[in-house]
Amino acid sequence: EVQLVESGGGLVKPGGSLRLSCAASGFTFSSYSMNWVRQAPGKGLEWVSSISSSSSYIYYADSVKGRFTISRDNAKNSLYLQMNSLRAEDTAVYYCARDVEMATLGNAFDIWGQGTMVTVSS
Amino acid sequence: EIVMTQSPATLSVSPGERATLSCRASQSVSSNLAWYQQKPGQAPRLLIYGASTRATGIPARFSGSGSGTEFTLTISSLQSEDFAVYYCQQYNNWPPLYTFGQGTKLEIK
Repeated sequence: EVQLVESGGGLVKPGGSLRLSCAASGFTFSSYSMNWVRQAPGKGLEWVSSISSSSSYIYYADSVKGRFTISRDNAKNSLYLQMNSLRAEDTAVYYCARDVEMATLGNAFDIWGQGTMVTVSS
Repeated sequence: EIVMTQSPATLSVSPGERATLSCRASQSVSSNLAWYQQKPGQAPRLLIYGASTRATGIPARFSGSGSGTEFTLTISSLQSEDFAVYYCQQYNNWPPLYTFGQGTKLEIK
């Protein structure tokens, strides 16, 4: 079964850090670009970051640029999001998601994890 | 940044009837448009990409159309499981700067 499972969410104080992980299974992880998308409570979807299959290309939304770092370990079938200098407005469910086609970047997202909640509050 | 605007915000339709949801882009996104369905407490589910290609396992009652700046998602005969929030997403930018619409809530009339 094709699956993405996020972990690492929790409660953190403003200015703090958190590292999210996304474990992939059931497909050739190293062939796909991967993405992080977040959803604040009761709000819509916001793209956060994307990384190409070989990590050669990395992109961020302006709202997180300079604070968040996306990375991946193809040997471990894992995607990561290091979040620093967290703010209250970063509070959201964070989803990892796979590009719908192999070996491309800039596409729709066909497989999503169940999400992990990040709460930034003092 | 390309702004995606969905209408209406809420759509009330009876089961068995047709639902038509709209999405407008602030500038052309060609056919680089996707539709997602999200139910409470669940992750989004890809329905349509490339404006009109159904994703794997998506029933034929879901169809997408449009190009450029105007797009439509049509659900031909609503089933009880179709009542949810629907989002459009553009992925036309390079470098990637994906943007989503604000969502349309499809509710039972």
